[in-house]
Amino acid sequence: GAGVSQSPSNKVTEKGKDVELRCDPISGHTALYWYRQRLGQGLEFLIYFQGNSAPDKSGLPSDRFSAERTGESVSTLTIQRTQQEDSAVYLCASSLGPIQPQHFGDGTRLSIL
Amino acid sequence: GENVEQHPSTLSVQEGDSAVIKCTYSDSASNYFPWYKQELGKRPQLIIDIRSNVGEKKDQRIAVTLNKTAKHFSLHITETQPEDSAVYFCAASVTGYQKVTFGTGTKLQVIP
Repeated sequence: GAGVSQSPSNKVTEKGKDVELRCDPISGHTALYWYRQRLGQGLEFLIYFQGNSAPDKSGLPSDRFSAERTGESVSTLTIQRTQQEDSAVYLCASSLGPIQPQHFGDGTRLSIL
Repeated sequence: GENVEQHPSTLSVQEGDSAVIKCTYSDSASNYFPWYKQELGKRPQLIIDIRSNVGEKKDQRIAVTLNKTAKHFSLHITETQPEDSAVYFCAASVTGYQKVTFGTGTKLQVIP
């Protein structure tokens, strides 16, 4: 079946612009995660959605970052007024539920000029 | 919150030798420990996981051991091959908590 799909695969934008990243999880997966991975670094947790529960936003680095998810479907991660330090690969993962293996998308490579 | 430390950060082994990567965690309530492999420019992929009700799990050349008392778990790769070269991440999580905490990664290089 289809895996986790992310779009766009690459995004180049100017500092100060807003960007929106999209994640389509695997059908039936109730849990969805967003991570940030800077070049050569580990996975930095950003936000977690589980079903219709309130999301865990504890990893969002600033109020410029926000994410939404409608039910158990698509999620969007929005970064407002982008800064150069936002340049990274943004990875989305989904799983059947908490404490289950995560399936990652290919990520969106974001470059801020 | 949970803190996961991973060592070493880089590891080079000769083809055919074994590789061991170790992780420690801080939250004694952690009960799920997955390992992910990330090849250069690709997505992380789960290679093996273990839950706190077992001490060891094997899958062909890969094994994971868990010591709950010491709060550490390890990945063992035997008979390493060049295609094992990648970055490996450990992680820990607790039932009832959503966040999965990842280690900082180990870059494994298998030298032919």
